[in-house]
This record gives sequence, C-alpha cells and structure tokens, in this order.
Amino acid sequence: EPEVTQTPSHQVTQMGQEVILRCVPISNHLYFYWYRQILGQKVEFLVSFYNNEISEKSEIFDDQFSVERPDGSNFTLKIRSTKLEDSAMYFCASSERGPLAKNIQYFGAGTRLSVL
Amino acid sequence: GNSVTQMEGPVTLSEEAFLTINCTYTATGYPSLFWYVQYPGEGLQLLLKATKADDKGSNKGFEATYRKETTSFHLEKGSVQVSDSAVYFCALRMDSSYKLIFGSGTRLLVRP
Repeated sequence: EPEVTQTPSHQVTQMGQEVILRCVPISNHLYFYWYRQILGQKVEFLVSFYNNEISEKSEIFDDQFSVERPDGSNFTLKIRSTKLEDSAMYFCASSERGPLAKNIQYFGAGTRLSVL
Repeated sequence: GNSVTQMEGPVTLSEEAFLTINCTYTATGYPSLFWYVQYPGEGLQLLLKATKADDKGSNKGFEATYRKETTSFHLEKGSVQVSDSAVYFCALRMDSSYKLIFGSGTRLLVRP
C-alpha cells in the first residue's frame, strides 16, 4: 500500500540552526501538508501546498518556516533559525484531491525534532 | 473558532469489552468528521469518516455516526482486541479549508 515517507525519524539540532525535514508524499497525490504536535498538545495544522504554492497556512507558520517541492517526489519543511519551542513531532501528509472534493489526507510516521 | 473535544484518556479495557470514545465538535457550518488512529511508532491512519449529518462511518469493526443535533461523532466498537491499543484522534475539516482540526487524542489500552 502506498505510504508517505518522512526522514529522518529523529532530528536533534542546536537552537538557532536551520533544519530541513523531508517527506516523500504518495506518488499520484497533488496536495501536501505539514502538521506538528508539541508533546502533550494537539496536532496542529501548519501549511498546505498545491501547484507549487502555499494554499493555506496557520498563524504558526511565520517567516521562520518555508516549504518547497524541490523535485517531483520530495516535499520539505525548512525552519530557518530553530527555537526551543519548535521541538515537536512534525507530520507530513498528502492527498489526491483538494478541499472541495473527497479529500483524504494520508500521514507519514513523523519526524521528531529536538532543539537543544 | 472551530474545535474538537475528546474524552481524556487513557481508556483501559479488557479484551472483548465494548468501547466508546466520545468526540464533540464546534463548527460554523457542517464539517466533515474523521477518526484517525496512531499505533506505536507509526503515523496517523484514517480509520473512518463521515461527510454529512446521519452518515455512519465504519471500518475494522469501529463505527461512528455524525450527529448534527448533538454535534457529536462518538467512536464505538463492540468487542476490542489487544491489537486495538493505540491513540485515537477525532478531527474535523470544513469544506472551504485544507486544514484538519484535531482533538487531543485518546489513548486506548486493551488488556488480554
């Protein structure tokens, strides 16, 4: 069964450093998403991406964050200068269709980001 | 704003017991509703969904009915197994948005 793949499973970084979290969405999917879950809190939406541009973002997704689809298979989340409060599990998701259709989002296993 | 509230966990049951995990929502309009499950070390997997009032979603013995009157989408299973031990997330999505809004998750532990 097709799945969303995220790498690495755990990333440790120093405060102020840049990190890139990587995702390989399901191959025929056109819509891509990032969510995060801070320990003990809810899973929160960060951003959605379609046709090489951001289609929706939350207030969490500030200028420190960016997303990119650098080639035909990868989808990345970059945090420019990490803060302690960026420590969380980051989930990538993808869907075949958009919000007005049968939009089922499939999630990866997540990347745990630890900022020291 | 739109939100989802789930019962606190953990919920601990013996094998073959009946399961209910409560979920209520607040939304301006009529969202689609989802249950996702997360097994240890894995991602969120869609368990079932309902897109309009009175729809019943079902999968792997789990069921949930979209109740507009009570703004609820409670998850039920008649007889749980040890393999059902996981964290269950209720979520909603408005038709105009890409964003899934999740509840806080409920951990289920099933003892043999």
